[in-house]
Amino acid sequence: DADVTQTPRNRITKTGKRIMLECSQTKGHDRMYWYRQDPGLGLRLIYYSFDVKDINKGEISDGYSVSRQAQAKFSLSLESAIPNQTALYFCATSDRFRETGELFFGEGSRLTVL
Amino acid sequence: GENVEQHPSTLSVQEGDSAVIKCTYSDSASNYFPWYKQELGKRPQLIIDIRSNVGEKKDQRIAVTLNKTAKHFSLHITETQPEDSAVYFCAASLSGYALNFGKGTSLLVTP
Repeated sequence: DADVTQTPRNRITKTGKRIMLECSQTKGHDRMYWYRQDPGLGLRLIYYSFDVKDINKGEISDGYSVSRQAQAKFSLSLESAIPNQTALYFCATSDRFRETGELFFGEGSRLTVL
Repeated sequence: GENVEQHPSTLSVQEGDSAVIKCTYSDSASNYFPWYKQELGKRPQLIIDIRSNVGEKKDQRIAVTLNKTAKHFSLHITETQPEDSAVYFCAASLSGYALNFGKGTSLLVTP
């Protein structure tokens, strides 16, 4: 089945460390997103990319950077992790050719910053 | 940018009752309004969506209504079942742009 895969699924790190979360997809979609989920705050958009050469900031991009290495790969980096970046991170994809704007989410990456 | 408000944050109903979750949006240009369901420990998945040229859409026990003038839309679940227990997120966007989500409603259906 075509899917969205995130690695690692769980990561515990220390304040100040550099962390990369990776996302790859076999759906053939052109659009990829990173969202952050915190209890009571919903899903907040960090960055999104509509094709390989396109990168856009979302509402909470400070402290994060991204790289779109290929159509199928979109990585999220925390250059110097801090405790309030502890959260569940979701990668998602969508297909601009579909009538609906349905997002297909990965299984999530749970990050804990001590 | 678009701001989506969602209420209530938690909702408890008895099995068989109806559940209603309401959302408002700020950008009158938004024209796409999906609802996602996230079961415990799982990824969010689309359950129903509506576009601004339609006032209501139904799919079996779930329905979504849209009031463009008031800039609000609602999710209605009838004959609730325990498997409907989950967190529900509304979202809004202009077609072709990234989705902005509400903060979620945790629905508990008790037998």
